[in-house]
Parts: sequence; C-alpha cells; structure tokens
Amino acid sequence: QSVLTQPPSVSGAPGQRITISCTGSWSNIGAKYDVHWYQQLPGAAPKLLLSGHNNRPSGVPDRFSGSRSGTSASLAISGLQIEDEADYYCQSYDSGLSGAVFGGGTKLTVV
Amino acid sequence: VQLVQSGAEVKKPGSSVKVSCMASGGPLSDHSFTWVRQAPGQGLEWMGHIFPILGIANYAQKFQGRVTITADKSTGATYMELSSLTSADTAVYYCAYGDQIPSTACEFWGQGTLVVVSS
Repeated sequence: QSVLTQPPSVSGAPGQRITISCTGSWSNIGAKYDVHWYQQLPGAAPKLLLSGHNNRPSGVPDRFSGSRSGTSASLAISGLQIEDEADYYCQSYDSGLSGAVFGGGTKLTVV
Repeated sequence: VQLVQSGAEVKKPGSSVKVSCMASGGPLSDHSFTWVRQAPGQGLEWMGHIFPILGIANYAQKFQGRVTITADKSTGATYMELSSLTSADTAVYYCAYGDQIPSTACEFWGQGTLVVVSS
C-alpha cells in the first residue's frame, strides 16, 4: 500500500489529453512539499519529467504539465503520442515518515 | 550528470550485497544521492538518501537497521549495502542524484543494478 495513491492504469487515443492523479495526505502533498513526476519506459530507468512547481528538465516537451490542490496532485499529458506509453510515478516528501515516498505508479496505454 | 552503477549480483539468502554508483559530469558538493529499488513487476520504492558533504544519511523505516548508504566526497561515489537478504529483496536497485534537500527530485538516474537473491 503506497503512501501516495495513483490509478493503476489510464488510457487515451493519440492526440487526446489525459490526467493522472496522485492522492496523498496532510503530511506530504498537503504539507506543500514538492511533488515530482517520473516516466519509466519499458526496461529503462525512470526519468524525471516534472519537478516542484511544474519545472520541466531540458528536453521534456510542454505537453507535460503538473498541478496540485490540497492533498492531491495531477500530471496532465496533452496531444498524446504513442511514445508516451510508459509507467508514471509521483513522488513527494512525507514529514511523518521523514523520507520520500512514491506513488504506486500508473500505466499509460495509448490506443 | 552521469551515474554508472556496478554490475548484477546473485546472492544467497542471509548474505549482504553492496552496490556502487559513480557520478561524473556534475558538482560533487551540495547534492544528494538517493537509492530506490524496484521489485519485478512492481513500483518504485524509496530506500534512503545521503548528503555527502554533511555526512548525513536517512533511511526508510522499512529498511532501518538493514541498509547502509555511504558516499565518498572525493570520488563522487555512493554505496548502498543491504544485509540479511531474502528473496523479497530481489529487485533492480537504482541510485539517483539530486539537490541537498530532503524533498529533492531524483534528477539523474543510474542504469540500475539487478540483485537476485536465491538459494
């Protein structure tokens, strides 16, 4: 059971917009700790997609964006492409656990 | 920043494993190393992190007493040692590089090291 809750899977058609939720609590996202998002392609190491306040590392297209409200955060992907098929993870810091926590991951299928 | 990890390991239950990770191409100060593992078909699991300049390491409660994370400030290397291995520790272990704050993102990742625990 992950401290941050994500839907196991989402799907969308090419060109569509999808969102992936990440639900936490008042000791992590609700405490305003940064939320980070990662993309993991099959067989590869995770890659940082978004950090903190919607900061995109070099090379990450602006089709990827993040938002947050209360104890939840969301990753939005617009203009879905086949190559976006991957697992996506959110991460934050938890003051009660005194450490970082990950969501359980969401598998994105582009159909 | 590039992170290069040591090769795959096969260990017996009850033994220990030590995985290394060498960073290059970035500052060796004011940063952190995080260790994350991923069991087969499972999600990412935070194990702990270290701030090399401060010499401070923090561990996930699940691994307290069984994991030790160290760093060599002069070489830019970090090490993760996990003891009392069981089959549940079979996983890919990743090191990651980030800022020197507890809530840092894992900006750069190593390629991963597969550790298989089997009798």
